[in-house]
Amino acid sequence: QKEVEQNSGPLSVPEGAIASLNCTYSDRGSQSFFWYRQYSGKSPELIMSIYSNGDKEDGRFTAQLNKASQYVSLLIRDSQPSDSATYLCAVNIDYKLSFGAGTTVTVRA
Amino acid sequence: DADVTQTPRNRITKTGKRIMLECSQTKGHDRMYWYRQDPGLGLQLIYYSFDVKDINKGEISDGYSVSRQAQAKFSLSLESAIPNQTALYFCATSDSGQGTYNEQFFGPGTRLTVL
Repeated sequence: QKEVEQNSGPLSVPEGAIASLNCTYSDRGSQSFFWYRQYSGKSPELIMSIYSNGDKEDGRFTAQLNKASQYVSLLIRDSQPSDSATYLCAVNIDYKLSFGAGTTVTVRA
Repeated sequence: DADVTQTPRNRITKTGKRIMLECSQTKGHDRMYWYRQDPGLGLQLIYYSFDVKDINKGEISDGYSVSRQAQAKFSLSLESAIPNQTALYFCATSDSGQGTYNEQFFGPGTRLTVL
């Protein structure tokens, strides 16, 4: 079993809709959780960090963490064409990040 | 702006050649990492360093070596390049002052092709 798994996608959403991305992790000792956005051929860009159970909102992005279920999600509200990218879930275990394979999101006009 | 830079940005080489990828940062971070990315496989950790005298193997270190020349510089070497080392290589940094949070920030990447 991989340490970090994401819904495989690709995910296609209409402009203005909500995109929902999911991630599960296997190590209960994980301490912090991140979502990175990666445009094709570019480097990962940190967009959300979450450390405690519950929701964290930043602009159109909301991260949700449930440590009991070992689950972290990312919601993108009012999706825009510029949100079309691959989203990587990362989990911090002993100061090293384990990454999921990513979910590619396409926002269609 | 505080930043992470990587050189070269693109490199084509031949099987058996020794290659060095360089990473420099002006963020003042003490922790540095090297990852490779293959299509559909996410990012895999090659080596990491928590300070100048600390070097650790990641999950895929075979065929690679590293050097931490200074707090701001971390180099990755491929001793004898082979075609399956063709990939995108990223350097990242983080600040131990964050404690357990470990937010990592990535350089622009090096696209390496081994023929």
